[in-house]
Amino acid sequence: EVQLVESGGGLVQPGGSLRLSCAASGFTFSSYWMHWVRQAPGKGLVWVSRINSDGSSTSYADSVKGRFTISRDNAKNTLYLQMNSLRAEDTAVYYCARVGYSSGWLLYWGQGTLVTVSS
Amino acid sequence: DIVMTQSPDSLAVSLGERATINCKSSQSVLYSSNNKNYLAWYQQKPGQPPKLLIYWASTRESGVPDRFSGSGSGTDFTLTISSLQAEDVAVYYCQQYYSTPGFGQGTRLEIK
Repeated sequence: EVQLVESGGGLVQPGGSLRLSCAASGFTFSSYWMHWVRQAPGKGLVWVSRINSDGSSTSYADSVKGRFTISRDNAKNTLYLQMNSLRAEDTAVYYCARVGYSSGWLLYWGQGTLVTVSS
Repeated sequence: DIVMTQSPDSLAVSLGERATINCKSSQSVLYSSNNKNYLAWYQQKPGQPPKLLIYWASTRESGVPDRFSGSGSGTDFTLTISSLQAEDVAVYYCQQYYSTPGFGQGTRLEIK
């Protein structure tokens, strides 16, 4: 059974940093692209970032480019999102998700971890 | 970036009736080399992560009831629920994966 479990969320002050983790199990982690998607309270889904299977290629939404860094440790079956210079508008539930095919649709999702940026 | 726009923003349909949600992309998501539309549909219920319903615009994910269907090509797409059930109350999102991914704003589906 595929499982994705996010952790690392919490309350952080504006300008602060946080690192999210996503522990994967039930599949060959090193074979799949992975994504982060966020959802502000009561709002829609917003794609944040993606990384290819070996970690050599990454992409970011304009809203987080230069502040967030996606990475992965295929030996530990774990995906990361390092978030720096956090702003109030980064407040959201952050989901990690695994693709179903190549870099495409998002087949498996974690339950999400809440990040709250507030003083 | 490709912008995805859904209509309507909310929809109320009677049980057993058809529900139709539209999604328009700002540029074509049809890849000519394989003739595939890089478009997916998701369902999200309160307090839950999204669930994949449809990919390649019209391919139903395993286990998704056949009352859900996707259609369209190029820039205009539709998700249809042929006979609305109570458990279909949710927010529905389209997503393109032709380029850096993007979601529509969502359509809230309720029972009339």
